[in-house]
Amino acid sequence: QKEVEQDPGPLSVPEGAIVSLNCTYSNSAFQYFMWYRQYSRKGPELLMYTYSSGNKEDGRFTAQVDKSSKYISLFIRDSQPSDSATYLCAMRTSNTGKLIFGQGTTLQVKP
Amino acid sequence: NAGVTQTPKFRVLKTGQSMTLLCAQDMNHEYMYWYRQDPGMGLRLIHYSVGEGTTAKGEVPDGYNVSRLKKQNFLLGLESAAPSQTSVYFCASSDRGWTEAFFGQGTRLTVV
Repeated sequence: QKEVEQDPGPLSVPEGAIVSLNCTYSNSAFQYFMWYRQYSRKGPELLMYTYSSGNKEDGRFTAQVDKSSKYISLFIRDSQPSDSATYLCAMRTSNTGKLIFGQGTTLQVKP
Repeated sequence: NAGVTQTPKFRVLKTGQSMTLLCAQDMNHEYMYWYRQDPGMGLRLIHYSVGEGTTAKGEVPDGYNVSRLKKQNFLLGLESAAPSQTSVYFCASSDRGWTEAFFGQGTRLTVV
C-alpha cells in the first residue's frame, strides 16, 4: 500500500464549477501537507501548504487537513480553463525530510 | 536565478548502458530529492539526501545509486539501464523545516 493515495482522474468540469481534490495517507507522522500544480511537460510548482491540521485559504483555493481521518483536500472555486493541470498532493514528516507525493489528479476545466 | 538545474534534459540509452544524471542547486538547500514520474503514477521518490555526504532510500530505489559529495550537487546513477527505467526524472531541493521544494525542469530518459 502506498503511503499517499490520490485518485488520478481525469476530472473534467465546466468553467465556474467548484472542484474538490482529495488524498488519503497512512503515515501518522506526516506534519507538512502540500498541493503542487504541474502543467504539461513542466516541473511541479507549489500551490498551497498547511502545517498539521486545519484550513488555509488563498484566493480561489482552499486547503483542508483532517489528521484524525488522514485525509486532505484542495478546493478550487470558480474554476478557470487556466486551472487545467495535474494536481499532486505531497506530505512530509517534520524531521526526516522524506517528501512523498500522491499519484496526481488530472483536471480539465472546459470553457 | 538558476534554482535547480538538471543535466541532461533528454537522453536515449541502450539496455545495459550506464549514465549519471546531475542535479545542481544554487539556493544552499540542505535537502535534495530524485523522483521519477510515469503516467498515472505521480512522482515516486527514488532517493533523497538531508545533507552533504548523506543519502537515503525512497520508495523505488532499486537499480539506482546516488551521491551527494557537495552540498549543491546530487547525482543519480543508473549502472545498467533497463527499459523499465524509461521515465521522466525530476530533481528537487528544499531547506530544513518547512520550506517549499523547488523542482528542476526534468530529464526525459528512454531506454531501448
